Amino acid sequence: QKEVEQDPGPLSVPEGAIVSLNCTYSNSAFQYFMWYRQYSRKGPELLMYTYSSGNKEDGRFTAQVDKSSKYISLFIRDSQPSDSATYLCAIRAGNMLTFGGGTRLMVKP
Amino acid sequence: EPEVTQTPSHQVTQMGQEVILRCVPISNHLYFYWYRQILGQKVEFLVSFYNNEISEKSEIFDDQFSVERPDGSNFTLKIRSTKLEDSAMYFCASSPSLGGYTFGSGTRLTVV
Repeated sequence: QKEVEQDPGPLSVPEGAIVSLNCTYSNSAFQYFMWYRQYSRKGPELLMYTYSSGNKEDGRFTAQVDKSSKYISLFIRDSQPSDSATYLCAIRAGNMLTFGGGTRLMVKP
Repeated sequence: EPEVTQTPSHQVTQMGQEVILRCVPISNHLYFYWYRQILGQKVEFLVSFYNNEISEKSEIFDDQFSVERPDGSNFTLKIRSTKLEDSAMYFCASSPSLGGYTFGSGTRLTVV
């Protein structure tokens, strides 16, 4: 059973759309939840970090965690072409991050 | 904004050779990590390092791999005898005791 699952996409949306990206996980020991953005052949860039159930907002980004369902989401409002990238969820237990496979997002002008 | 710096950005080596990948973590971070990403695959955990010793390692991190913090700023990953399947992007990361990890831009290792 995969520990962290993510739809690989690609997800194609028009500029200005609201984007919803999701991950499911299987291990209840996971404690901290992160979203990263990765451009081709670059390092992951931290977007959001949270450790509790509920919502956390930062600008156009909202991270949502539902520990009872083992489900996390990232919402992007007013999406821009510059948001086109691969979005990775990552979940921390102890000192180790487990990544999802990433969802490729394309925002078309 | 503080960043994690990795050198070199690209390393080509012959199979069987030793390579050392270098990283300068964020100065006030306490935990250091190496991850790798084979082209088209997930980012995978290799090792975490805290208080001058390995705190966790994955099955990938076998006897061919070692890490070192030779001074107060650098953090290195050594692969003793490279294999073709070691070709990947290698990412260094650091974190405070709690909080998100900051990743470097990576070193692309090509073993020929």
